[in-house]
Amino acid sequence: DVKVTQSSRYLVKRTGEKVFLECVQDMDHENMFWYRQDPGLGLRLIYFSYDVKMKEKGDIPEGYSVSREKKERFSLILESASTNQTSMYLCASSSTLEQYFGPGTRLTVT
Amino acid sequence: GQNIDQPTEMTATEGAIVQINCTYQTSGFNGLFWYQQHAGEAPTFLSYNVLDGLEEKGRFSSFLSRSKGYSYLLLKELQMKDSASYLCAVRANAGNMLTFGGGTRLMVKP
Repeated sequence: DVKVTQSSRYLVKRTGEKVFLECVQDMDHENMFWYRQDPGLGLRLIYFSYDVKMKEKGDIPEGYSVSREKKERFSLILESASTNQTSMYLCASSSTLEQYFGPGTRLTVT
Repeated sequence: GQNIDQPTEMTATEGAIVQINCTYQTSGFNGLFWYQQHAGEAPTFLSYNVLDGLEEKGRFSSFLSRSKGYSYLLLKELQMKDSASYLCAVRANAGNMLTFGGGTRLMVKP
């Protein structure tokens, strides 16, 4: 079974803090993705990576950065958290077809 | 740009059949995916269509018409556990990026 894990299920941070969300997959997938999910807006792609040290902007990259130093790990970084970044964050990985999702991190920025 | 539309909510009765529609307008097309997401859980892959026609997988079927920019997910013999959100997603090019619709929340009643 493909397994995608995320470092936290729930996270509460203050405005201005630097926030790291970690994602690890165990299936040697080349592609990894970070989405945020908000009611009524569906899943929106923040960044994706198709190889180690490679990254591409998605639809809403502003306020975020990413890091992929190892194939199995993809990190999402909020350089200075803001209240409008309160959301559910989902990581996914894929090889050639479907994406496999992690359980999500519900981030609240106060 | 990409635009994917699906109804926000639907209600159906246990044992019945329900059809969830998805229309899309994208700059390219390289496949349409359906995912199921139970509340508080990760999305899981249901089906994939890249050619016109019907793909059947047990109680679930998915249909695609590329000329109409239209797909539907058909759920037969509804069970209470089918209460979930159903996400339509389009892959616009040869890469692995998906664009998601807002999701359809299906409630199955006894």
